[in-house]
Amino acid sequence: GAVVSQHPSWVICKSGTSVKIECRSLDFQATTMFWYRQFPKQSLMLMATSNEGSKATYEQGVEKDKFLINHASLTLSTLTVTSAHPEDSSFYICSVSPRGGSTDTQYFGPGTRLTVL
Amino acid sequence: AQSVAQPEDQVNVAEGNPLTVKCTYSVSGNPYLFWYVQYPNRGLQFLLKYITGDNLVKGSYGFEAEFNKSQTSFHLKKPSALVSDSALYFCAVRDLSSNTGKLIFGQGTTLQVKP
Repeated sequence: GAVVSQHPSWVICKSGTSVKIECRSLDFQATTMFWYRQFPKQSLMLMATSNEGSKATYEQGVEKDKFLINHASLTLSTLTVTSAHPEDSSFYICSVSPRGGSTDTQYFGPGTRLTVL
Repeated sequence: AQSVAQPEDQVNVAEGNPLTVKCTYSVSGNPYLFWYVQYPNRGLQFLLKYITGDNLVKGSYGFEAEFNKSQTSFHLKKPSALVSDSALYFCAVRDLSSNTGKLIFGQGTTLQVKP
């Protein structure tokens, strides 16, 4: 399957700071990237859908000014958690739909563990 | 609204025994169904999918799933469980109202395989 990386794999930050998480597709171009967050032992919650060159589409209840998404190229999307607070601590996972391929299969990154102190 | 449900929070199986992880769906139209597995502190790994065709779908690591339209189910199965199969399993359905391939996930089922 396709390879998707995320950086960093884990990050600890102080409350009020901003954190940027990168999602890269390593061996293919991505039409669409998805950002999820996952609380312990719970399902994935879709936060937003990111298309290259256009604004991200946020799910209901997700603050777009707090979770900034930039899909600058066909292989890179970034999620910036602005003014992070302890309640933002979570596991953030991206997934990718390959360009030119079926949009049906998503390939997931390994996730980023964010802890806000 | 489209949804998937995994009725079991946890499934316990002895190594070598067959396993089943249940999933039911509710969609308007033909469903696109998926199974993913998640190991601790890792992202999701694709196991298999059903789009059209044979109701029995074979996937990675010896897993298979049977699409049953009359029961609106897509249960994940494996004839002989391994301890290494212990993980969190998610069933998902493609959101047909979206053209981006957006997935809707079930709650997840923890599979525990004991030696």
